Amino acid sequence: QSALTQPASVSGSPGQSITISCTGTSSDVGGYNYVSWYQQHPGKAPKLMIYDVSNRPSGVSNRFSGSKSGNTASLTISGLQAEDEADYYCSSYTSSSTHWVFGGGTKLTVL
Amino acid sequence: QLQLQESGPGLVKPSETLSLTCTVSGGSISSSSYYWGWIRQPPGKGLEWIGSIYYSGSTYYNPSLKSRVTISVDTSKNQFSLKLSSVTAADTAVYYCARHCSPPVQCFDPWGQGTLVTVSS
Repeated sequence: QSALTQPASVSGSPGQSITISCTGTSSDVGGYNYVSWYQQHPGKAPKLMIYDVSNRPSGVSNRFSGSKSGNTASLTISGLQAEDEADYYCSSYTSSSTHWVFGGGTKLTVL
Repeated sequence: QLQLQESGPGLVKPSETLSLTCTVSGGSISSSSYYWGWIRQPPGKGLEWIGSIYYSGSTYYNPSLKSRVTISVDTSKNQFSLKLSSVTAADTAVYYCARHCSPPVQCFDPWGQGTLVTVSS
C-alpha cells in the first residue's frame, strides 16, 4: 500500500479538463511544498511534470498545473489530448525517515 | 542533455545479491550539489524510493530496506551502483536510477529507462 493515496483511474474526453488528487498527511503533503508529479507512458521512464506543488519544468506544457490544499495535492490537465494518456504518480518529501513517498499511480484514459 | 542508464542482471536467485549500475552521460556525477537515487516499481504497483548518494559518498536509505541496501559511487566512471542483499520474490521490480533536483527544489529529474529485475530460482 502506497503512502500517498491516488485514484486508480480517471478519464476524460479530448479538450476536457481532469484533476488527479494525491492525499497524504501533515508529515508529507501537508507539511511541505515539495510535491511533484510524474507522467509515465507504458515501458517508459517517469517524466517530471510538476515540482514543488505548482512549478512546471521547462518544456512541459502549460496545460499541466498543480495545486495543494491541506493534505491533498492535485494535478490538473486542461485541454486533454490523446498523448496525455499515461500513468501519473505524485511524490512528496516526508519528515519521516522514509524521506520520499509516492502515490500508487493514476491511469489516465483519454476517451 | 543529461541521461541515465541502468545496467545489470535481469534475473537474480532468491537469497542472492542484486547488483545494478547507473551510468550518467551528458554531465558529471560530481558536478554541482546533486544527489543521485534509486527507485523501484514492482509489477503493477507504485513507486518506492530505495536510497540516494552524493558524489562524495554520503548516503541515506529507506529504513524499510536499509539493512540490505548499499549504494556506492564511482566518480571516475561517472557511475553509481545499487546492491540489495538477500533478495526474495518481493524484490522483483523495475529499478530506476534518477537524479535529485537541485536544492532547494525537491524532485527527481531525469530518470533512467529502468531495468526489470526478476528474483526467481
